[in-house]
Amino acid sequence: GQNIDQPTEMTATEGAIVQINCTYQTSGFNGLFWYQQHAGEAPTFLSYNVLDGLEEKGRFSSFLSRSKGYSYLLLKELQMKDSASYLCAVVGRITDKLIFGTGTRLQVFP
Amino acid sequence: GAVVSQHPSWVICKSGTSVKIECRSLDFQATTMFWYRQFPKQSLMLMATSNEGSKATYEQGVEKDKFLINHASLTLSTLTVTSAHPEDSSFYICSARDGGRDLPEAFFGQGTRLTVV
Repeated sequence: GQNIDQPTEMTATEGAIVQINCTYQTSGFNGLFWYQQHAGEAPTFLSYNVLDGLEEKGRFSSFLSRSKGYSYLLLKELQMKDSASYLCAVVGRITDKLIFGTGTRLQVFP
Repeated sequence: GAVVSQHPSWVICKSGTSVKIECRSLDFQATTMFWYRQFPKQSLMLMATSNEGSKATYEQGVEKDKFLINHASLTLSTLTVTSAHPEDSSFYICSARDGGRDLPEAFFGQGTRLTVV
């Protein structure tokens, strides 16, 4: 089976740094995605990791450890517009499906 | 590039009627399309995976006779919610995978908010 867990909610202050964790147990692994989703809208792509290590893209970075079944999304210099849900999604090697985690709702305060 | 258009963006229907949602890849060939359902404050739940020209593969617990999926071409997949009931009210989102890319990324449509009254 597949199990992808994230914290349900997080809060942070504008200008701060926040780390959103994702742990997964899947049947095979072919990459992990992070998406951002504002209420009532479709998810938008943030990052993709298939090898261990850190991928940096502007204010957002994503890390992957395949041996630990663990990833995190790091958001720096938080802005009010970063208030959204952040979804971790894993692609299975055998099924090739994109399965989403529980999602983390981040609220940024001034 | 990699644009997915989903239509309609919202629909209200009476209980017992059927609703069809379309998902089109505008500038690429979508070898695989995924249909998700999302309830308020929850994550996306995969309903089914469809490949062009073959029957859709449904996730456990999803009624294939109620949620009819057709993937007749490489650019179009449809989801029909048959005999809709209020508990089917939800946000339905499609995503499509570009068969010509190495990255297994799926591109999302805008979503359809279905309300059954």
